[in-house]
Amino acid sequence: GQQVMQIPQYQHVQEGEDFTTYCNSSTTLSNIQWYKQRPGGHPVFLIQLVKSGEVKKQKRLTFQFGEAKKNSSLHITATQTTDVGTYFCAGPGSGGGADGLTFGKGTHLIIQP
Amino acid sequence: NAGVTQTPKFQVLKTGQSMTLQCAQDMNHNSMYWYRQDPGMGLRLIYYSASEGTTDKGEVPNGYNVSRLNKREFSLRLESAAPSQTSVYFCASRQGGRGYGYTFGSGTRLTVV
Repeated sequence: GQQVMQIPQYQHVQEGEDFTTYCNSSTTLSNIQWYKQRPGGHPVFLIQLVKSGEVKKQKRLTFQFGEAKKNSSLHITATQTTDVGTYFCAGPGSGGGADGLTFGKGTHLIIQP
Repeated sequence: NAGVTQTPKFQVLKTGQSMTLQCAQDMNHNSMYWYRQDPGMGLRLIYYSASEGTTDKGEVPNGYNVSRLNKREFSLRLESAAPSQTSVYFCASRQGGRGYGYTFGSGTRLTVV
C-alpha cells in the first residue's frame, strides 16, 4: 500500500533558526496535505498542495510540492516558540481523500529559547 | 460552531470490557473517519465512512466496529478491549472537494489495563 515517509523524526532548533521537514511518498500523489499538532492537542489542517511544483506561503511557512508529485517540504523561517509541535504530511488514498489520508509519522519540532 | 466533538475525553478500561467512542460533527460533512495515534507510529486509519450509510475498513480495523448513525454521528466500538488498543483516538470529518482538509476532534485518550 501507499507509504508516506517523513524526515527528520525530531528537530531541535534555537529560536530564530529555520526549520525544514521533508515528506516522500512511494506513489505519485494527486495532492498532499500538511497538518500541525501542538503537544497534547489534535491535528490541525494547514494547507493542501495540488499542482506539480506548487509553492504556497503562509506568513513564515513555505510549502512545496515536488515536480513529480511524490515529495513535499515545509519550511519555517525564523522559528518562534509558538511553532512547537509535530508537523505531519498526508496523502490521499485511491479515492481522492474520501477513503482516508495516509499520514507520515511526523516531525517533532522542539525549540530552545 | 463546535466542529467535531468526541466523548469521552479520557477512559480507562479493563481487558475484555467493551465501550463505544462517540463522535459528532455539526459542519454537514459527508465523510467521517476514525484514527488512532500511537507514539512513533503517527496516525493510522481504523475505519471510515465516505458518506452516510457506508462504512469501510482502514489500515488497522481489527478489534473495532463502527456505526454511521446519521450524517452527523460516527461511533467506534471496542467489543473486547485489549492492552494493544491503548491509544489516543481521533475522529475527523471532511467537507470534500479540493482545498479542504480534515477537521479533527480533540481526541479520546484510552488506556486498557
